[in-house]
Amino acid sequence: LAKTTQPISMDSYEGQEVNITCSHNNIATNDYITWYQQFPSQGPRFIIQGYKTKVTNEVASLFIPADRKSSTLSLPRVSLSDTAVYYCLVGRMDTGRRALTFGSGTRLQVQP
Amino acid sequence: SQTIHQWPATLVQPVGSPLSLECTVEGTSNPNLYWYRQAAGRGLQLLFYSVGIGQISSEVPQNLSASRPQDRQFILSSKKLLLSDSGFYLCAWSKQTADSYEQYFGPGTRLTVT
Repeated sequence: LAKTTQPISMDSYEGQEVNITCSHNNIATNDYITWYQQFPSQGPRFIIQGYKTKVTNEVASLFIPADRKSSTLSLPRVSLSDTAVYYCLVGRMDTGRRALTFGSGTRLQVQP
Repeated sequence: SQTIHQWPATLVQPVGSPLSLECTVEGTSNPNLYWYRQAAGRGLQLLFYSVGIGQISSEVPQNLSASRPQDRQFILSSKKLLLSDSGFYLCAWSKQTADSYEQYFGPGTRLTVT
């Protein structure tokens, strides 16, 4: 798996847009980028996955530049319930192995 | 809809005692199954994954073992627990698809080895 680097923590306020950037300089051609959210004492929850350009779902958007060496998770209009740890991971899609190996993630704190 | 169950929710065991954690999935068939461990304040570590009954891949050498006796049942075991086995154990499942890292996690078991 390609190594990823994320900010340790971020603070925001309700109603703001939050952008969390992940660096993955040694991403390989077959690697996809995936983001998960985790609340304390719960299992992680899948947010979004992408390969290049932009992916959007009902929860978030994922922006991936052409060189794919970084990605940005965008959370529109966050609420207090978005306070959680967010993990970026990069993994290859050309094998059957789907191991999620998380680093320390980004701890997002949303204030009222 | 699919659901995933784990039990027990919490467990306190002495060093050297055996362990058995169970995970079951409902509402889907032939899932990929995973066991992860998360130490306090740390990220996830994949312990085992299974693509079918009796098919187990071990990711980390340790005193733990896993078994899949039925399609939707995954069991994590140990004959003798170590202090370092303490952590939050999570079971997850995913569809057998070639194009996604989407996994669905159970509620977890918090294990404390004393």
